[in-house]
Amino acid sequence: QQPVQSPQAVILREGEDAVINCSSSKALYSVHWYRQKHGEAPIFLMILLKGGEQKGHDKISASFNEKKQQSSLYLTASQLSYSGTYFCGSPYNNNDMRFGAGTRLTVKP
Amino acid sequence: NAGVTQTPKFRILKIGQSMTLQCAQDMNHNYMYWYRQDPGMGLKLIYYSVGAGITDKGEVPNGYNVSRSTTEDFPLRLELAAPSQTSVYFCASSKASGVSNQPQHFGDGTRLSIL
Repeated sequence: QQPVQSPQAVILREGEDAVINCSSSKALYSVHWYRQKHGEAPIFLMILLKGGEQKGHDKISASFNEKKQQSSLYLTASQLSYSGTYFCGSPYNNNDMRFGAGTRLTVKP
Repeated sequence: NAGVTQTPKFRILKIGQSMTLQCAQDMNHNYMYWYRQDPGMGLKLIYYSVGAGITDKGEVPNGYNVSRSTTEDFPLRLELAAPSQTSVYFCASSKASGVSNQPQHFGDGTRLSIL
């Protein structure tokens, strides 16, 4: 019942792009994206509610496919500050949030 | 700008001991959550509350109890600590339910070791 994230880890050089996927065998109510740096609390990035929706700010954006079974997070022209673990989450029911296992992103100079 | 405040930040317990992890938020959010995060893993929901006096189990509630007597506070109780409960515990709050467009705001976490 947890969303499945891929890849588990990715290493980039500054300026490179990355895509993180979050998928489910059933339609999701919504998809929440968070970033967590080591030893810190998760920080909210964005929420997608509707099939076909796309959102973004700065160089981080996300999409939610029409069937609401997959969301992708796009990081373009990555910066060192993008390093961390990215989680997607979706409510199993109204409030029972289930998170993926995370994707560890490392950006190197 | 306190947001969600968790205490303590670190704690070491012996097997069988009990303790309460405190969580308070000052954003007047109705929804509050407790998660645990094991090393290298995602967040697992323990309990949640949709308002004062209303709580419900999440994915991994065994060994824990909660109460919600006020909007601001949502303490998590461990009655008989076991090594399997060694984890980082995060409290979160949100303005509306998980199916809304409202994000969850997380506290800084409590790092708990059971020895």
